[in-house]
Amino acid sequence: KQEVTQIPAALSVPEGENLVLNCSFTDSAIYNLQWFRQDPGKGLTSLLLIQSSQREQTSGRLNASLDKSSGRSTLYIAASQPGDSATYLCAVRPGGYQKVTFGIGTKLQVIP
Amino acid sequence: DAGVIQSPRHEVTEMGQEVTLRCKPISGHDYLFWYRQTMMRGLELLIYFNNNVPIDDSGMPEDRFSAKMPNASFSTLKIQPSEPRDSAVYFCASRGPGGHEQFFGPGTRLTVL
Repeated sequence: KQEVTQIPAALSVPEGENLVLNCSFTDSAIYNLQWFRQDPGKGLTSLLLIQSSQREQTSGRLNASLDKSSGRSTLYIAASQPGDSATYLCAVRPGGYQKVTFGIGTKLQVIP
Repeated sequence: DAGVIQSPRHEVTEMGQEVTLRCKPISGHDYLFWYRQTMMRGLELLIYFNNNVPIDDSGMPEDRFSAKMPNASFSTLKIQPSEPRDSAVYFCASRGPGGHEQFFGPGTRLTVL
């Protein structure tokens, strides 16, 4: 059974700082890994998706990396802004299957 | 496109009542997923459909939960009878043919008193 862990559970940083969110998974036989953002009381917004054959994906100030062999992914946020404050979740989809397993998330607060 | 639409956005009901949650996926999407989110357990997949057919309902917690997808543009998740421990946010998500990303609706916040 795939287990997804996100550390830390919460993070508070001053505006402008670069930061890294971590996601680890127990079964490396994955199809893809997706990072989401969730604002309070809202649904999930997809940020980046990394296929199992890829090492990283970038979108603007966001960069996600994937190391399947070690069962780890990181989400790097450059020059953080107060608008980045949200909960960030990673989700792992196993190979040959549709069921996605989510981590509990990291709650990020960027202080102006 | 309006995205995934869910209704109602909030539902408050009393224990024992029937609750029906509704979802309209993005047009043309062939996969539909129902999730439940709680503080303790995070996001859990309840059931998913492919081309209106239920494929995996192993995440449905009990027989009190049922889901249907009568056509490509509509799905329901029903809880009968509801219990206080069913209180959670229920999300619907859809994915297109050959696509990799899931697109989530805004969720329905269910409170069972």
